[in-house]
Amino acid sequence: GAVVSQHPSRVICKSGTSVKIECRSLDFQATTMFWYRQFPKQSLMLMATSNEGSKATYEQGVEKDKFLINHASLTLSTLTVTSAHPEDSSFYICSAPDSGANVLTFGAGSRLTVL
Amino acid sequence: AQSVTQPDIHITVSEGASLELRCNYSYGATPYLFWYVQSPGQGLQLLLKYFSGDTLVQGIKGFEAEFKRSQSSFNLRKPSVHWSDAAEYFCAPDNGNQFYFGTGTSLTVIP
Repeated sequence: GAVVSQHPSRVICKSGTSVKIECRSLDFQATTMFWYRQFPKQSLMLMATSNEGSKATYEQGVEKDKFLINHASLTLSTLTVTSAHPEDSSFYICSAPDSGANVLTFGAGSRLTVL
Repeated sequence: AQSVTQPDIHITVSEGASLELRCNYSYGATPYLFWYVQSPGQGLQLLLKYFSGDTLVQGIKGFEAEFKRSQSSFNLRKPSVHWSDAAEYFCAPDNGNQFYFGTGTSLTVIP
């Protein structure tokens, strides 16, 4: 079946630095990918929709300049958390629709801890 | 505005008992409807989905869900819960453009 690989699975960084998270569709092409954020014991919150070859669509309240999304190819989307602060510590999950099945395949998630 | 509600934040059931997790949505048209499960330390897994047709859909692990248009609901059920079903469950409608998740229901299974 469709597989989405997300890397890194865990990252710890200092406050003020930037962190990049990659999301790859391994055996299918994804013109669209979704980025979610999950706080402990809470639901997934859609942050943005990543579109291959064009600008991402951000949900209301999500800072575009803080969460930079690049969807440079049909199999790769990246999320860069710029100038990270402790409140950005969270679990970030990407997903991509399996072409033709209209079902989301999720990455395993990336846990970001900002010290 | 489009929204999805899972009224039960946390549910505790005994192993072997039946289970029903509620999901209500508010969309302009009937969306595609999904249930996902997130087990501790694991990623999200699709349990089942409803696109059209038969309103009772079967999923993996013995789960089923029934779409009721009149109630705008898509409740998840299982006749007999196993200890391994302890997890977080998310209802996720798709309005054709984006997937949105409910707040989730945390299931605890007691022996």
